[in-house]
Amino acid sequence: GAVVSQHPSWVICKSGTSVKIECRSLDFQATTMFWYRQFPKQSLMLMATSNEGSKATYEQGVEKDKFLINHASLTLSTLTVTSAHPEDSSFYICSASNRLAGYNEQFFGPGTRLTVL
Amino acid sequence: RKEVEQDPGPFNVPEGATVAFNCTYSNSASQSFFWYRQDCRKEPKLLMSVYSSGNEDGRFTAQLNRASQYISLLIRDSKLSDSATYLCVVNIGSGNTPLVFGKGTRLSVIA
Repeated sequence: GAVVSQHPSWVICKSGTSVKIECRSLDFQATTMFWYRQFPKQSLMLMATSNEGSKATYEQGVEKDKFLINHASLTLSTLTVTSAHPEDSSFYICSASNRLAGYNEQFFGPGTRLTVL
Repeated sequence: RKEVEQDPGPFNVPEGATVAFNCTYSNSASQSFFWYRQDCRKEPKLLMSVYSSGNEDGRFTAQLNRASQYISLLIRDSKLSDSATYLCVVNIGSGNTPLVFGKGTRLSVIA
């Protein structure tokens, strides 16, 4: 299957700082990337859907001004958690797919564990 | 009603046991169905897709009943390495639509 990387794999930051998470598709062009968040013992919850070159579509309850998503190229999407607070501590996972290649599944990155002190 | 519901678990079974997981989904327009496996603190990984005719991959058998909106996963001859959380996942569209995840069922296989 296709390979998706995320960076960093984990990050600890102080409350009020911003954190940027990168999601890269290494061997295919991702027309669409998805950002999920998973709290302990909970299911993955979709935060937003990002199509290359257009604005992200956010799920209800997710603040677009707090979680900035950029998908400027077919291999890179970034999620910036602005003014992070302890309640933002979570496991953030991206996934990527390529409609034009006929993919019928999404490929997940290894996730980024964010801890806000 | 949640979109995808699974047995809450956890399931604690001895090595060699057969274990079955059940899942129901609420959206009748769902088109694709999957079982993912997630190890602790790791990303989900695709275990197998689920087809209407049922499909098998080694010790794993998945079945789909569209009329009942029900999906199952059967694991035969459980191994210690099967210990993980199993996620039932549906997609109402193609690969460019979001996946909807169940909460997962945790399996512990005991020696």
